[in-house]
Amino acid sequence: RKEVEQDPGPFNVPEGATVAFNCTYSNSASQSFFWYRQDCRKEPKLLMSVYSSGNEDGRFTAQLNRASQYISLLIRDSKLSDSATYLCVVNIYGGSQGNLIFGKGTKLSVKP
Amino acid sequence: DAGVIQSPRHEVTEMGQEVTLRCKPISGHDYLFWYRQTMMRGLELLIYFNNNVPIDDSGMPEDRFSAKMPNASFSTLKIQPSEPRDSAVYFCASSPPGLASYNEQFFGPGTRLTVL
Repeated sequence: RKEVEQDPGPFNVPEGATVAFNCTYSNSASQSFFWYRQDCRKEPKLLMSVYSSGNEDGRFTAQLNRASQYISLLIRDSKLSDSATYLCVVNIYGGSQGNLIFGKGTKLSVKP
Repeated sequence: DAGVIQSPRHEVTEMGQEVTLRCKPISGHDYLFWYRQTMMRGLELLIYFNNNVPIDDSGMPEDRFSAKMPNASFSTLKIQPSEPRDSAVYFCASSPPGLASYNEQFFGPGTRLTVL
């Protein structure tokens, strides 16, 4: 089983749509979770951390389900500028270690 | 403030040549990470440093790869000899003091390496 697994997509959605991505992780001891965004031929950038109780940042909502070991990202009212690859990131080994594991990403394309 | 700086941005070399990639982390950050990204394998952690000391190099593919951090503001990743399968984008990232697993990592623009 891969350590961090995502549906690669692409997800092709119209502007204004709501889209959700899921990500599963293999180690139940994992303690920290993030979504990063990567634009084409650019570096990854933090979109948001994922907290146990779930958290929201504007149009973006992240959820964590520890029992099922998955993380989700919901994007409401999609904009053209949301087109990017979304990387699920997990501190797979637990503890305070810095070795985060990145999923391969889910590609989102928002069309006019 | 300047972000993470990497050089060169693009490197094209021939198989067997030595390649040196350079990184300057954000001032005040004490964690530095080297990643490699390919279509097949995604983004992989190669090695990371804390306070200039290598903490985990288990992701370094083989002895052809080496990384150093002689001071808090500079790190290198060297490949010698290079092979075509090393072709990838190499990212350097840094993060501030504290629990590295919870902190944001700030990525440089990457070095696109092509080995012919």
